[in-house]
Amino acid sequence: DIQMTQSPSSLSASLGDGVTITCRASQRISTYLNWYQQKPGEAPKLLIYDTFVLESGVPSRFSGSGSGTEFTLTISSLQPEDFAIYYCQQSYSTPFITFGGGTKVEIK
Amino acid sequence: EMQLLESGGGLVQPGGSLRLSCAASGFTFSDYAMTWVRQAPGRGLEWVSAIGGSGSATYYADSVKGRFTISRDNVKNTVSLQMNNLRAEDTALYHCVKTMRETFNGFGERLDYWGQGALVSVSS
Repeated sequence: DIQMTQSPSSLSASLGDGVTITCRASQRISTYLNWYQQKPGEAPKLLIYDTFVLESGVPSRFSGSGSGTEFTLTISSLQPEDFAIYYCQQSYSTPFITFGGGTKVEIK
Repeated sequence: EMQLLESGGGLVQPGGSLRLSCAASGFTFSDYAMTWVRQAPGRGLEWVSAIGGSGSATYYADSVKGRFTISRDNVKNTVSLQMNNLRAEDTALYHCVKTMRETFNGFGERLDYWGQGALVSVSS
């Protein structure tokens, strides 16, 4: 299985701050990397797919980058609705997809 | 509007069985592979199983292979997960999730719509 490791596991930031979350794959996965956002009590929601592509309706303050084994999710200016848990997921070894452990973004 | 509504969760003893169902609406069900993804309390996400749009192709995580069976009914627009020989480590919220294609065996698969989940608790 391809292992996905996210860092940090949690972070505290203020409204308007920029934040970056890192996701590392245990082997090269090209750009087959997706990001999901999960708010408390809600189901995960697809945010970014294929490393860079924003899902329809996702604000442009979200962006993704990377390739191979290292990927990042960046939120340029945190808004109240962005406080959530973010998961990366590799889609290289489908059907055996795997997720990162999650990064919780909290209000400072 | 797309909807995925899971049912069938509950409390079961170790070694017992449970059947989860997911009723889909708002899209052409048979055009898409469907998956189950679980989330243990306070933990991350784990892919469990997937089934192609026609129902002929099925896939399982090693942790559930031989114990769980996925199936679908493209007339009733439902996907089910039969879970046998349940273990304490199967305790989780099980999400029914729609994919973007009819198959689930190529690069770049993504999970574009998730149900709220059905809670399964395995305990004596």
